[in-house]
Amino acid sequence: KQEVTQIPAALSVPEGENLVLNCSFTDSAIYNLQWFRQDPGKGLTSLLLIQSSQREQTSGRLNASLDKSSGRSTLYIAASQPGDSATYLCAVSFRSFGNEKLTFGTGTRLTIIP
Amino acid sequence: NAGVTQTPKFRVLKTGQSMTLLCAQDMNHEYMYWYRQDPGMGLRLIHYSVGEGTTAKGEVPDGYNVSRLKKQNFLLGLESAAPSQTSVYFCASSYSLNTEAFFGQGTRLTVV
Repeated sequence: KQEVTQIPAALSVPEGENLVLNCSFTDSAIYNLQWFRQDPGKGLTSLLLIQSSQREQTSGRLNASLDKSSGRSTLYIAASQPGDSATYLCAVSFRSFGNEKLTFGTGTRLTIIP
Repeated sequence: NAGVTQTPKFRVLKTGQSMTLLCAQDMNHEYMYWYRQDPGMGLRLIHYSVGEGTTAKGEVPDGYNVSRLKKQNFLLGLESAAPSQTSVYFCASSYSLNTEAFFGQGTRLTVV
């Protein structure tokens, strides 16, 4: 079964620290991996999309890496701020006929302590 | 640029009632999805569509029906609502499997 796992479920760090969020997936045959942010009571906002042929993507203080062979992705947040507090979800588009969908992890709830 | 718009944002239904959730996108996307989000369960796919006139079942399709008569709209129907369908429903769209997915703001549905 194609699954996506995010550990830990929750993380608290002091403001200003750099941090890494983890995502693992069970099948290396993927189209892409996407990181989302979700604020309480809100929808999902796309942060970064990494194609299967890429190793990393950067946007501002965010850097996402992809290692297909090991089934892992990380989201690196530099110089964290209280406004970064949210739930971060990763989603994988697996290469599987008849499986045209994103498979989501359950997310990591991040709290930045001022 | 509206993106993905869901209607309504909130709804309370009595058990056995029916309703339709509307998702509209203005980005000319081929793919559209309906997910539900429940605490501790993450997002689970209900139904999806890979183009106008097409629909397919996802992980948790029972109790739901969908239609995609127009490319920009994807409707999710509950024929006879049950308390187990209390959830937050999200619609999403993308141009292809290789491109970014965009989400609506969600519909919070409570079935009493």
